[in-house]
Amino acid sequence: GAVVSQHPSRVICKSGTSVKIECRSLDFQATTMFWYRQFPKQSLMLMATSNEGSKATYEQGVEKDKFLINHASLTLSTLTVTSAHPEDSSFYICSARVSGGGYNSPLHFGNGTRLTVT
Amino acid sequence: GENVEQHPSTLSVQEGDSAVIKCTYSDSASNYFPWYKQELGKGPQLIIDIRSNVGEKKDQRIAVTLNKTAKHFSLHITETQPEDSAVYFCAASPPSFGNEKLTFGTGTRLTIIP
Repeated sequence: GAVVSQHPSRVICKSGTSVKIECRSLDFQATTMFWYRQFPKQSLMLMATSNEGSKATYEQGVEKDKFLINHASLTLSTLTVTSAHPEDSSFYICSARVSGGGYNSPLHFGNGTRLTVT
Repeated sequence: GENVEQHPSTLSVQEGDSAVIKCTYSDSASNYFPWYKQELGKGPQLIIDIRSNVGEKKDQRIAVTLNKTAKHFSLHITETQPEDSAVYFCAASPPSFGNEKLTFGTGTRLTIIP
């Protein structure tokens, strides 16, 4: 149980275009989802916390107008990288906890999206 | 905010031997400490976690120990196998009911030598 599905797994886009990444909780509801970014051989850096039905909370230094997050339902959050540039190339990973899963319920991760901007 | 340090950054172990990865954290309010395994091109997978009301937890070949006084916790893998080769991340979090954030360590690349 507690599967997080992320799509697409890989995407290549041209500079200036926008890319949407979907994150779905397949067998549970998630009031909150988290979006991370990971550079090669580095740790996971939290970008934003996505809250169902409300605005996302962005970490310091993350441009909210560039990384648009929408959490329209209890099972889907989307991250849109707008006007992508080569420096946005990275591995983006979403994660979620089971809503009402109790104290310190585990955080489950998707398999990530490798974005390459040419 | 929380700061998590992880050592070593790389670790090579002969198959069958044990591997130990250590982490320290800075925020005494943290009380949840998960460990994740990440294989190449995939997202992190939770392998074990520990809460601050226990000092040790074991699941088959994997164990985690926690020293709250010293603010450090460790992952122990015994009888290592080639499929244990991956990057391992420790993390720390304050008490969480849903939206509290995990702070990750910098990762350890574990290589099991056949």
